[in-house]
Amino acid sequence: GAGVSQSPRYKVTKRGQDVALRCDPISGHVSLYWYRQALGQGPEFLTYFNYEAQQDKSGLPNDRFSAERPEGSISTLTIQRTEQRDSAMYRCASTQGQNTGELFFGEGSRLTVL
Amino acid sequence: SQKIEQNSEALNIQEGKTATLTCNYTNYSPAYLQWYRQDPGRGPVFLLLIRENEKEKRKERLKVTFDTTLKQSLFHITASQPADSATYLCALETSGYALNFGKGTSLLVTP
Repeated sequence: GAGVSQSPRYKVTKRGQDVALRCDPISGHVSLYWYRQALGQGPEFLTYFNYEAQQDKSGLPNDRFSAERPEGSISTLTIQRTEQRDSAMYRCASTQGQNTGELFFGEGSRLTVL
Repeated sequence: SQKIEQNSEALNIQEGKTATLTCNYTNYSPAYLQWYRQDPGRGPVFLLLIRENEKEKRKERLKVTFDTTLKQSLFHITASQPADSATYLCALETSGYALNFGKGTSLLVTP
């Protein structure tokens, strides 16, 4: 696609429910990142994929968070048993090659946990 | 621990003046540093990348400096315009692929 596409743009859920956030990177982009951004803060690194391989998941807050990119394109970030503190903007970004620097961000998925 | 510090307070300047934003860091040895612009409700947009062996980089009205001894980058917007009003984020390379971001500095350019 022309840009990084994320869905849903807005998600409101009740505490304890599972949510899945989807990211469709720019076509042909090798690397994909997930970030979380709180209001008034910069993006916080969560996890990173090269093709389908999850190279780094050190930023995932706990084991309720997981991510996959099974075919090296679309990625899903899943949060199980959501808690209110999970409420944030979740942003996906992609880069053309490995370690090429410039990130292309999507518009984000705003998650609100009631 | 690693830290990235940007001007915590918003920067207000008059149109036509030069805006200078600061990014200081500790406990990093980044191979490169980047600056992004973020408008309200939007994702960050890449502006400039500067590598550790470069002192200065320019792009149109933008200039970035990178001092690895001082562990500081300065971001300048010359002849600022109201359309330059946004939040500007400094980001440092870590682990060879990830970027860690600062909190950002809000810039307001008034006519």
